[in-house]
Amino acid sequence: SQQGEEDPQALSIQEGENATMNCSYKTSINNLQWYRQNSGRGLVHLILIRSNEREKHSGRLRVTLDTSKKSSSLLITASRAADTASYFCATDGVYGNKLVFGAGTILRVKS
Amino acid sequence: EPEVTQTPSHQVTQMGQEVILRCVPISNHLYFYWYRQILGQKVEFLVSFYNNEISEKSEIFDDQFSVERPDGSNFTLKIRSTKLEDSAMYFCASRSGTAGNTIYFGEGSWLTVV
Repeated sequence: SQQGEEDPQALSIQEGENATMNCSYKTSINNLQWYRQNSGRGLVHLILIRSNEREKHSGRLRVTLDTSKKSSSLLITASRAADTASYFCATDGVYGNKLVFGAGTILRVKS
Repeated sequence: EPEVTQTPSHQVTQMGQEVILRCVPISNHLYFYWYRQILGQKVEFLVSFYNNEISEKSEIFDDQFSVERPDGSNFTLKIRSTKLEDSAMYFCASRSGTAGNTIYFGEGSWLTVV
């Protein structure tokens, strides 16, 4: 299985702090995507990083990818209460076209 | 920004009844997906659809499930005879081209089987 697995499972921080979530996967990938899910809502795409990329930025988000360690991290800087959500990494294999999701990290940002 | 739309947002059905969940993928997209998420669990792949046929399906997608693209815009998931364990959020998703493109998800359809 190419599953991505996130850690920590849950993270609670104060507003203004940075939040770092990690994801590991097992097989070679084509790309890795991060999604956010507010409680009971849909999956919002945050960022896609390709297997030949090492780092990518989007606003307050920074994603890194280390294919030698089969891991990725999502950093949210200067967190806000509105960042409270579950965050999932998802990978697609070299030949596949579907995404395989990890279990997610529940982030709570306290104001 | 274009989006994937799903209906209904929530459906309650009796065990054994047939359910059809509907999706309108983003208009120029070619790959379509259904995923499900049982409450508190991870998002699980059900099926992918390309060129009017199933390209891949998971073990979850048994004979009780079917998908259809009846016209140029809709993409449906049918569950023939629902079970209690089918209660979940079902997400439709679409992608424009080959592997490596972003997959966009809809808001989901909550299915509650009683």
